[in-house]
Amino acid sequence: DGGITQSPKYLFRKEGQNVTLSCEQNLNHDAMYWYRQDPGQGLRLIYYSQIVNDFQKGDIAEGYSVSREKKESFPLTVTSAQKNPTAFYLCASSMFPPGGPQHFGDGTRLSIL
Amino acid sequence: AQRVTQPEKLLSVFKGAPVELKCNYSYSGSPELFWYVQYSRQRLQLLLRHISRESIKGFTADLNKGETSFHLKKPFAQEEDSAMYYCALSGGRMDSSYKLIFGSGTRLLVRP
Repeated sequence: DGGITQSPKYLFRKEGQNVTLSCEQNLNHDAMYWYRQDPGQGLRLIYYSQIVNDFQKGDIAEGYSVSREKKESFPLTVTSAQKNPTAFYLCASSMFPPGGPQHFGDGTRLSIL
Repeated sequence: AQRVTQPEKLLSVFKGAPVELKCNYSYSGSPELFWYVQYSRQRLQLLLRHISRESIKGFTADLNKGETSFHLKKPFAQEEDSAMYYCALSGGRMDSSYKLIFGSGTRLLVRP
């Protein structure tokens, strides 16, 4: 069953703690993306990667970090520098080039303890 | 500034009534426009894109460059259309990131 798998579904972070959200895809897509969704707002781009071992900052990258060591994996770390991390995080992937529609995972909801 | 605006947070209609979900955009260039939908307990998925010029589940959307709009329409709403709808744009080849810029979404509620 091809698709994008995000884990965990729910995650709780303590003050000063880094947490990592997992995103795996078996669609053989080159490009992967991380979005943040807050209530009443659309999705905002955190980081994206178009190829293995390369990634770029999106619109709200501060307090986050990523890696892209394998084509199928694009984990997102929410660091202690992110002062307002409570949100819904969505991972997506697409063919590249020329881009095209993005396929989304089920998301991870991160909350602060 | 690149922006997608969906002016309605909630749109409530009766079954069988016509539906129009509004989307306006601001982009300096020729973007690609998309509509994504999220049904209850399901993941966000592509509904349609303007370059395909197709009708999906009875929905259509026409890109109006003069009015910078990409409204989503359906002549007769069904209860199963109830969902959250997001309009999004991409710079396509003009933007090397191919990132999507999303509107804030409109919740469509179709009443029996």
